[in-house]
Formats: sequence, structure tokens, C-alpha cells
Amino acid sequence: KAGVTQTPRYLIKTRGQQVTLSCSPISGHRSVSWYQQTPGQGLQFLFEYFSETQRNKGNFPGRFSGRQFSNSRSEMNVSTLELGDSALYLCASSSWTGKGETQYFGPGTRLLVL
Amino acid sequence: QKEVEQNSGPLSVPEGAIASLNCTYSDRVSQSFFWYRQYSGKSPELIMSIYSNGDKEDGRFTAQLNKASQYVSLLIRDSQPSDSATYLCAPQDAGGTSYGKLTFGQGTILTVHP
Repeated sequence: KAGVTQTPRYLIKTRGQQVTLSCSPISGHRSVSWYQQTPGQGLQFLFEYFSETQRNKGNFPGRFSGRQFSNSRSEMNVSTLELGDSALYLCASSSWTGKGETQYFGPGTRLLVL
Repeated sequence: QKEVEQNSGPLSVPEGAIASLNCTYSDRVSQSFFWYRQYSGKSPELIMSIYSNGDKEDGRFTAQLNKASQYVSLLIRDSQPSDSATYLCAPQDAGGTSYGKLTFGQGTILTVHP
């Protein structure tokens, strides 16, 4: 099976702009989670979608939003970008194994806000 | 108190030695436990998952879980320079509020020197 794919891989934006990142999960996976990784805060959970519904959300401002489509592909959007939004944004898809949900990460989108 | 704490690094071991990585977590309801490896500039890669108390072996890797002590560890036998990376511990809670959410430790940087 193909792995999780994310586009674009790199992005440079300026403060105040908005950005949309895309994630295609592993075939058959219906859950998609998003994380932000920065040197200072590490890996932090943004939100999770399952069957087009947001089931869980982390402690991020409302500028961070997402959605999931009927084919399980997901997008996340950050509006009014701030310098502190510069980070690696990771998407992970998962499936239930009978014991737990194992998450597999995509390559990430590295966002630089100038 | 941090939710997930990993042994402070960096950890340096000679090639062929055993590397021991430790992780404690604060949430007693954690049910699933994952170890990820992250090379510099790359996304996290799943190494091991463990759900029950005791040991789980996979090749050179052994995960150990003790839920009563809220402790999980990863042993890497016959360490190789290619094992040099950051290792991330991630417990996952059971239940609806934890859908799709992994809580990561800050990571332990491992360096295996020839």
C-alpha cells in the first residue's frame, strides 16, 4: 500500500496570509490526525477527523481548522498566519487493529512564515 | 507535571551496545503505547506498539510496559550507527476524548558511535 502523502512539502508565506495543507491517508484508513512540530514545543496534536467529522481537537486557536472529504483525504487551513506558525505540519492516518489505533505519519509540510 | 517524560539526552552508546530508552506517563487510563523513531528532517516512523504489561520483541527492539508503574521502555540491542535518531514515546488513552490523539514526549536523541 502507498503511504500517507502530504502536499505541498515546503511552503513559504508571509504574516497575515492563509495556507491550506493537504493529506491523503493510506488506502482504507478513515481516521486522519494532524500535528504541529516545533523545536520548542515538540509534537502537538491539532485535530482528528473520522468519516468527515471532527472527533477531537487540541489546544490551538480557531485560526487552525480542518476538514475531511468523503474519500478520507483531509485538509487543514491556517488563517492570518503568524511567525510562530512556522513549523513542520504532520498528518497521520490510522486504522483499528483490534487492540488500538496505530498511526502512520506522512512526510510532513514544512511551513515558513516570514 | 509533564504528561509524558523521557530520559534526558542525548544518549550516546558505542556500536554493538544496548541502548535503553525510558518513558513515564502521568495518565493512568493510557492503554496503547507507541515508540517512534525520527531522523533529522524526517517524519516519525513507527517502531513498536505495545498494549499489555510485559515485553514485546521485534528484531533488535524490545518494548517493555509496566502499567502499574506507568512506565514504558525501549531497548535496542546491537545498536548500529543507523539507529542514531530521536526516539519518541507516545501513549494513547482509551475513550472518546482521545480519538486520534497521541501525546508525545519530548524525545530522546540517541547517537551510536562506531
